[in-house]
Amino acid sequence: QQQVKQSPQSLIVQKGGISIINCAYENTAFDYFPWYQQFPGKGPALLIAIRPDVSEKKEGRFTISFNKSAKQFSLHIMDSQPGDSATYFCAASMAGAGKSTFGDGTTLTVKP
Amino acid sequence: EPEVTQTPSHQVTQMGQEVILRCVPISNHLYFYWYRQILGQKVEFLVSFYNNEISEKSEIFDDQFSVERPDGSNFTLKIRSTKLEDSAMYFCASSEVGGNTEAFFGQGTRLTVV
Repeated sequence: QQQVKQSPQSLIVQKGGISIINCAYENTAFDYFPWYQQFPGKGPALLIAIRPDVSEKKEGRFTISFNKSAKQFSLHIMDSQPGDSATYFCAASMAGAGKSTFGDGTTLTVKP
Repeated sequence: EPEVTQTPSHQVTQMGQEVILRCVPISNHLYFYWYRQILGQKVEFLVSFYNNEISEKSEIFDDQFSVERPDGSNFTLKIRSTKLEDSAMYFCASSEVGGNTEAFFGQGTRLTVV
């Protein structure tokens, strides 16, 4: 019940295209859903996060769509750039519990 | 911008040796975490620490692991007798409050057990 399932494992997109990464969770007690971006040899860095009281959050080229009834959320990267090439992790956490539960990660490659 | 700092960036140790990984969390943060990431795999929770005690730990965090906040700034992870399978990136993170809020991650310590 603590798992967060992420797909696809890897994604190749042309420059300017849209990258879409999906996650699903089981535990309805989760109430914070961040996306992290990780470059090789670096720690995860928060990209954007959403709480379940909204269905969408947009920050620049990055948008989270959240479907509470389906227990799914996704990251959309518009106008994907080669500099976006990285590993993306979705995660989930709940109030009171400190830890974040991470998805397996998606390696995004944006081709010039 | 405040950041979580970890030292060393890379540690090589012999199997059976003790290692201490060090972290300086962001100064006004109250919750501290250790995660690990085996090469090419996902980030796994090890332990969370609040108010000078462990608040939660995973099944990975067995008796060979311990954490400590020896002073007002440092947060350490000790692995008592390292095994080959402990080789991984270890990330320290901190947050202002627990749970549903942003956690800031350090750059990690790459631990290689030989």
